[in-house]
Amino acid sequence: TQLLEQSPQFLSIQEGENLTVYCNSSSVFSSLQWYRQEPGEGPVLLVTVVTGGEVKKLKRLTFQFGDARKDSSLHITAAQPGDTGLYLCAGVPTGTASKLTFGTGTRLQVTL
Amino acid sequence: KAGVTQTPRYLIKTRGQQVTLSCSPISGHRSVSWYQQTPGQGLQFLFEYFSETQRNKGNFPGRFSGRQFSNSRSEMNVSTLELGDSALYLCASTLTYAVSYNEQFFGPGTRLTVL
Repeated sequence: TQLLEQSPQFLSIQEGENLTVYCNSSSVFSSLQWYRQEPGEGPVLLVTVVTGGEVKKLKRLTFQFGDARKDSSLHITAAQPGDTGLYLCAGVPTGTASKLTFGTGTRLQVTL
Repeated sequence: KAGVTQTPRYLIKTRGQQVTLSCSPISGHRSVSWYQQTPGQGLQFLFEYFSETQRNKGNFPGRFSGRQFSNSRSEMNVSTLELGDSALYLCASTLTYAVSYNEQFFGPGTRLTVL
């Protein structure tokens, strides 16, 4: 059983569409991070959310941390082909020391 | 500031052999973590080193081992390779060993293929 479940697993949309990716767990996390990984590269950190209910915006990307700190979402407005990649959420469960756990991943493809 | 570097980028080995992968963290970063990424299992934590000591370990067999040197560079070793060890091995560095949250900077990975 994965500690962090992401949905959907795959998403293929056209440029200009909006989308939301979900990251859910039954465990409480002290923080959650979102990464994007492109083929042949390592994941790149997009954002870290720390406070329950926190919302962070990064241009067209909006990240939210659930009030109970068990879930998070990533919303992309007006997707562009450059948004294509594997999106990963990751977190450190409370009570553990520095052991980052990754979600199952969402592969996004944005076409013209 | 240079990013995390990993060598080699690609490696092909046969079953039963052993392999050593290298990771140089970002200058000034003292914590290095290793991950295995496969299509089926996703990104899985192998181990973390800080100040030349292993601080955390994932659920991998003893064939997987690592070490960290005084300059924070790290190596991981896989002995008696199996077909299932084929994966992208990622190294990530952080400034220090953090309990609360952990902003990690990843290298490009080493693609290991076991034949």
